[in-house]
Amino acid sequence: NAGVTQTPKFQVLKTGQSMTLQCAQDMNHNSMYWYRQDPGMGLRLIYYSASEGTTDKGEVPNGYNVSRLNKREFSLRLESAAPSQTSVYFCASSGQETEAFFGQGTRLTVV
Amino acid sequence: AQSVTQLDSQVPVFEEAPVELRCNYSSSVSVYLFWYVQYPNQGLQLLLKYLSGSTLVKGINGFEAEFNKSQTSFHLRKPSVHISDTAEYFCAVSSQYNFNKFYFGSGTKLNVKP
Repeated sequence: NAGVTQTPKFQVLKTGQSMTLQCAQDMNHNSMYWYRQDPGMGLRLIYYSASEGTTDKGEVPNGYNVSRLNKREFSLRLESAAPSQTSVYFCASSGQETEAFFGQGTRLTVV
Repeated sequence: AQSVTQLDSQVPVFEEAPVELRCNYSSSVSVYLFWYVQYPNQGLQLLLKYLSGSTLVKGINGFEAEFNKSQTSFHLRKPSVHISDTAEYFCAVSSQYNFNKFYFGSGTKLNVKP
């Protein structure tokens, strides 16, 4: 039972570099999310997608873009990484009135 | 929009003692409430949820929570904790108008000491 799969698990970037975080779910969920987790701040919503073909900004969207490629996949792109984007990133998905199911996280360091 | 406040950033407790982790929410509409647990270097796992019905909700690992609408609270309790309960706990809320948009609190680190 894979659930929500994120890749990569760890990444180190230099300031200004770009990268894409990948996320896939196999639970046939309509909604998918990207959160970032920082010490003392809990999880903050970056972007979410209520269904295939739609995306909406969350609390902290600046510096990020997303693509809902199909129902299974939701990617997060950093076009020009900054040290302030050092964080742990979580992808999640949810079905019709179900809780959110989370991936294992991506630990990103921007130097 | 909804918001969640977890009043304690850290809670130390001795093994076999009871514990309560506090969560208060703010919302102008009906809410759904969740508690998640995060073990080190892992993702979040659902402990329990309140959608409707009985205000006392039982979850996994012996945890329970009570929804109190008048106090806008959803505190998590366990009568006797184990070392293995050491983790970070997050309260989350969503609303009847947008069930699938979840707002999380800042987390409470539970440290169970032998």
